[in-house]
Amino acid sequence: AQKITQTQPGMFVQEKEAVTLDCTYDTSDPSYGLFWYKQPSSGEMIFLIYQGSYDQQNATEGRYSLNFQKARKSANLVISASQLGDSAMYFCAMREGQGGSEKLVFGKGTKLTVNP
Amino acid sequence: GAVVSQHPSWVICKSGTSVKIECRSLDFQATTMFWYRQFPKQSLMLMATSNEGSKATYEQGVEKDKFLINHASLTLSTLTVTSAHPEDSSFYICSASPRTRSQFFGPGTRLTVL
Repeated sequence: AQKITQTQPGMFVQEKEAVTLDCTYDTSDPSYGLFWYKQPSSGEMIFLIYQGSYDQQNATEGRYSLNFQKARKSANLVISASQLGDSAMYFCAMREGQGGSEKLVFGKGTKLTVNP
Repeated sequence: GAVVSQHPSWVICKSGTSVKIECRSLDFQATTMFWYRQFPKQSLMLMATSNEGSKATYEQGVEKDKFLINHASLTLSTLTVTSAHPEDSSFYICSASPRTRSQFFGPGTRLTVL
């Protein structure tokens, strides 16, 4: 079974509008971390936001926020006020365990296109 | 934030030759680094976990004799693709964690085997 599921292969959004990218996960480990990365056409993986399983509040980083619904095992990324430079692939990933040395499992990604 | 570099950024080689890719953590020490492979329009697939001073841990289906990993120091891990073939052409990315909750990625290496 897939551990990370991103059901949207592609998404379109108008510039300056908000967009939500979906991510659901599957784990039986009570301690885990959820990540979102952006990958522009250049290929680099850019860290956006992190949510720990024990974090009480939803993570926010500037225009990025993570809608963490633990009971539903979802960790959707919300990008507010979209910009043309936000066009890229977005990957949701999960790390099981508490440390920084555990491997990440990635979803298949969502290609976001921001239209002017 | 933490910086991870990779060298080279791209390489073209002939079939049958070996290619070495370096991954360095520039401003932190990393006892563990990870090597991923990404085919066009696909997600990142973990190949192996590189452990400083010990053998790498390979994911199922990854040939350890073909993809040699050496983690010689706390800031350097290398991936050597031995006897490369066209099907090894891919985007190879490494990552490392500075003991925070985040993992930081290198810029990737695009390998093309002719």
